[in-house]
Amino acid sequence: EVQLVESGGGLVQPGRSLRLSCAASGFTFDDYGLHWVRQAPGKGLEWVSGISWNGGSTGYADSVKGRFTISRDKAKNSLYLEMNSLRPEDTALYFCAKGWGGGYDSSFDYWGQGTLVTVSS
Amino acid sequence: NFMLTQPHSVSESPGKTVTISCTRSSGSIASNYVQWYQQRPGSSPTTVIYEDDQRPSGVPDRFSGSIDSSSNSASLTISGLKTEDEADYYCQSYDGRNHMFGGGTKLTVL
Repeated sequence: EVQLVESGGGLVQPGRSLRLSCAASGFTFDDYGLHWVRQAPGKGLEWVSGISWNGGSTGYADSVKGRFTISRDKAKNSLYLEMNSLRPEDTALYFCAKGWGGGYDSSFDYWGQGTLVTVSS
Repeated sequence: NFMLTQPHSVSESPGKTVTISCTRSSGSIASNYVQWYQQRPGSSPTTVIYEDDQRPSGVPDRFSGSIDSSSNSASLTISGLKTEDEADYYCQSYDGRNHMFGGGTKLTVL
């Protein structure tokens, strides 16, 4: 059974940093692209970032480019999102999602339960 | 980039059929696959349609997807509506650089 478990969310002040983690299990980690998708309170889904199966290709939404960095660790079967210079508009539930294929251009088949990030002073 | 536009809400009675549209603003709808996700209140999204018209295992055949080049749109059709189908539905496609989502459609089954 595919499982994606996010952690690392919390309350953070504007301008500060936060690192999200996603522990993956139930599939061959090295074979698939992975993503972060967020949902602001009461709003729709927004793709944040994606990474290919080997970490060789990454993509970012314009709204986070230059501030967020996605990475993955095959030894730990984990996905990460380093978020710097956080803004109030980054407040959202952050989902980890597995891709159908190996590239980050593939869409999402399984989703985690999400971790909440609140940016406020 | 392109935008995907969905109706804000739709409603229908149990047992009936409902169709949710997703219109692409520029470029051909056939250029990139369209996916559909269901999100029940308080839950994470699940995939109901991928690659325009494919159903993941476990998704009932009451759910179907299609694309229409004449209207440059994709559609999700749910037949034999059940109260458990009440949820938000999002279409999604990849534009060559970003994954784009529609704004979501709230389906009410009453």
